Amino acid sequence: DTAVSQTPKYLVTQMGNDKSIKCEQNLGHDTMYWYKQDSKKFLKIMFSYNNKELIINETVPNRFSPKSPDKAHLNLHINSLELGDSAVYFCASSQEAFGGTEAFFGQGTRLTVV
Amino acid sequence: KNQVEQSPQSLIILEGKNCTLQCNYTVSPFSNLRWYKQDTGRGPVSLTIMTFSENTKSNGRYTATLDADTKQSSLHITASQLSDSASYICVVILDSNYQLIWGAGTKLIIKP
Repeated sequence: DTAVSQTPKYLVTQMGNDKSIKCEQNLGHDTMYWYKQDSKKFLKIMFSYNNKELIINETVPNRFSPKSPDKAHLNLHINSLELGDSAVYFCASSQEAFGGTEAFFGQGTRLTVV
Repeated sequence: KNQVEQSPQSLIILEGKNCTLQCNYTVSPFSNLRWYKQDTGRGPVSLTIMTFSENTKSNGRYTATLDADTKQSSLHITASQLSDSASYICVVILDSNYQLIWGAGTKLIIKP
């Protein structure tokens, strides 16, 4: 009964490919996030959705496109993958937006672009 | 510029010993401060949340302190265990828009 689950856990792919990472939360939260953790271990927010609507969209290449079919799911699709996209991507959810309540994280997806 | 700086970058201690991790921030306006534990290959897990009016909060062997005047926080771990080996991340939340400002973390290694 994992609270926030993301798949796959590991993803190795070639430059130029298109790939998706899926995220689901069973906590009944209204807000979901995607974070990128780089090699220096900083967690940088990429997107946030509240009730299926985009509320945060940081400076992220438009090759990254989030999709929220319902408030329990927030998937991340990446087009034309580049070497610099290699990182760990974390999905998270919270009851309210913008850090007002506790955020719960998935276990991460390690993306390696070769 | 809103920033969160943590020290030390990494720390190695023997099992059973205590340690203290530091967090300095320049975030303003301040809403609350959180400490997260991130095990290798896992997502961050919340340890403590403190508002500016709280100056200490405990969660088992973890005790966080906050000095809102000097904009410093610390996380004290008592009687360390091997399972405490992880990265500890300080996060400060802006009061204006609740944006999370993340530190780079302190990597703690507990040796038997």
